[in-house]
Amino acid sequence: NAGVTQTPKFRILKIGQSMTLQCTQDMNHNYMYWYRQDPGMGLKLIYYSVGAGITDKGEVPNGYNVSRSTTEDFPLRLELAAPSQTSVYFCASSYKGSSGNTIYFGEGSWLTVV
Amino acid sequence: QKEVEQNSGPLSVPEGAIASLNCTYSDRVSQSFFWYRQYSGKSPELIMSIYSNGDKEDGRFTAQLNKASQYVSLLIRDSQPSDSATYLCAVNEIKNTGNQFYFGTGTSLTVIP
Repeated sequence: NAGVTQTPKFRILKIGQSMTLQCTQDMNHNYMYWYRQDPGMGLKLIYYSVGAGITDKGEVPNGYNVSRSTTEDFPLRLELAAPSQTSVYFCASSYKGSSGNTIYFGEGSWLTVV
Repeated sequence: QKEVEQNSGPLSVPEGAIASLNCTYSDRVSQSFFWYRQYSGKSPELIMSIYSNGDKEDGRFTAQLNKASQYVSLLIRDSQPSDSATYLCAVNEIKNTGNQFYFGTGTSLTVIP
């Protein structure tokens, strides 16, 4: 019963380094999302995807890139890490059911940039 | 930009009492509404979803939706210490560009034993 799986769970990066947060879902959901959540704050949308090969910017896309080559995978790339990118990152997926939509979250990736 | 507003709290209630959490949203095209619970250091987990005006009950939880007033609430009856968490309100809108979710900043609830 995996759902949405994110790796790594914790990572420390030095300023200027790059890394990729991996996300995969096994629920065959078309829609996938990356959010960041700063301490005491709400979820801010970074990027989203409506299906394989289609991605679009959310509220706070600067400093990030995504790709969606398959339905299952939606990696988030951080280029030239900055302290402002210290945050918790949540990958999520959703479907459109007959009675509405629901979004499901991965367990989160805690990133610190020093 | 859609806005989802919640009272950040903290809200404190004694064990066994009713906790009332409120949420307002900024426009009338939102189609689905959700309450998520988030424990410290954990990811949000779905508690309730509601799509039409009125009340929806699930165990100790009742969600109330009033689309005319752009208002959704969550009542937690017989509150337990394990209910202590941050509660996120979310609204959903289906657009041509995708299936968008907008979250409030959350209300922190503490249930005092």
